[in-house]
Amino acid sequence: QQKVQQSPESLSVPEGGMASLNCTSSDRNFQYFWWYRQHSGEGPKALMSIFSDGDKKEGRFTAHLNKASLHVSLHIRDSQPSDSALYFCAVSLTGNTGKLIFGLGTTLQVQP
Amino acid sequence: AQTIHQWPVAEIKAVGSPLSLGCTIKGKSSPNLYWYWQATGGTLQQLFYSITVGQVESVVQLNLSASRPKDDQFILSTEKLLLSHSGFYLCAWSGDWGGAQDTQYFGPGTRLLVL
Repeated sequence: QQKVQQSPESLSVPEGGMASLNCTSSDRNFQYFWWYRQHSGEGPKALMSIFSDGDKKEGRFTAHLNKASLHVSLHIRDSQPSDSALYFCAVSLTGNTGKLIFGLGTTLQVQP
Repeated sequence: AQTIHQWPVAEIKAVGSPLSLGCTIKGKSSPNLYWYWQATGGTLQQLFYSITVGQVESVVQLNLSASRPKDDQFILSTEKLLLSHSGFYLCAWSGDWGGAQDTQYFGPGTRLLVL
């Protein structure tokens, strides 16, 4: 069973629009939720992490965490064609092993 | 600034042949190092992690092994490749604690095709 579930599988938004991605974990032993972005043919890059309930904003990206429901969302405002990529949600578990469990990803396409 | 380099960029190998992939991190002493595998268009699966030279922990058994011969080097290998080993191999590093709060920085990856 996938411990980190993401939705939707794919998403298309117009340039300048808002993209919203969702993620739920089935494991309460997490410390942080992470959002990573991967452009085709490249390694993933961390966008942001969140561990407290509420919102965390970094530029055009806002993450919202609800710990009770183990749900995190990522909102990208003023989407740009360069935002087109595969977005992964990941959870890091307690302990010092650096273990990250990734979801299956959401493919975002921003239409110019 | 830290840089991470992976080699080779891509490989085409025959089933049953050996494999060695490498990763080097510059500009960071005593990094925590990780190997990940990604099927084409799929999710990332952590394979190994290492917090110090000579010490490697296995996360998932995929008939692969890893070694850390130097502080800045991480090697992934196998003596016999399987078709299922095809995919994208990514090396990553993180900072001092290797804890849940540390960002993992990924390298550019090695694409492997096993025929």
